[in-house]
Amino acid sequence: GAVVSQHPSWVICKSGTSVKIECRSLDFQATTMFWYRQFPKQSLMLMATSNEGSKATYEQGVEKDKFLINHASLTLSTLTVTSAHPEDSSFYICSATGFSGQETQYFGPGTRLLVL
Amino acid sequence: GQSLEQPSEVTAVEGAIVQINCTYQTSGFYGLSWYQQHDGGAPTFLSYNALDGLEETGRFSSFLSRSDSYGYLLLQELQMKDSASYFCAVRDGTGRRALTFGSGTRLQVQP
Repeated sequence: GAVVSQHPSWVICKSGTSVKIECRSLDFQATTMFWYRQFPKQSLMLMATSNEGSKATYEQGVEKDKFLINHASLTLSTLTVTSAHPEDSSFYICSATGFSGQETQYFGPGTRLLVL
Repeated sequence: GQSLEQPSEVTAVEGAIVQINCTYQTSGFYGLSWYQQHDGGAPTFLSYNALDGLEETGRFSSFLSRSDSYGYLLLQELQMKDSASYFCAVRDGTGRRALTFGSGTRLQVQP
């Protein structure tokens, strides 16, 4: 099956720093990638939709200047958490879909962010 | 908007059968999906129903009734490794393939 990787898997940073998370589709071209956030014992919440070569679409309540998304190629999307604060500590998960009509979303293994 | 409801917790014993229900409200419907997530891991796709009826994949089956806005995931011959959270999900009502997830059902399988 299709594989999506994320890097890093774990990151601990100081408050005020920026953190970049990479999401890669390893064996297929992902026209669209999605970024989700999951707090402990809660569900996954969509943050933004990332389309290759165009601006990301952010969900209501998600600050686009704080969560910068870049989808520079069909296999790579990045999420940068700028000026991270402790409340940004969460599990960030990307997913990717390939061709239109393909229903399955393939999720990356997630990145656990801890902001001190 | 989209909303999905599912029970928060279910407990069952090894070898048993368990059913996890999901009711949904959507502005547009493009099918119901089920995902499994183990603690600390990412969701993995289990099944997808676009049409009414039962879809079977090994020990797991999923059912959909569009007229009732209802579906369920059926897990048979439960194993300890099935202890996980299970999420139902629907696509965004605009047709985007982003998913809206239910709150998740934590399944605890006991020996």
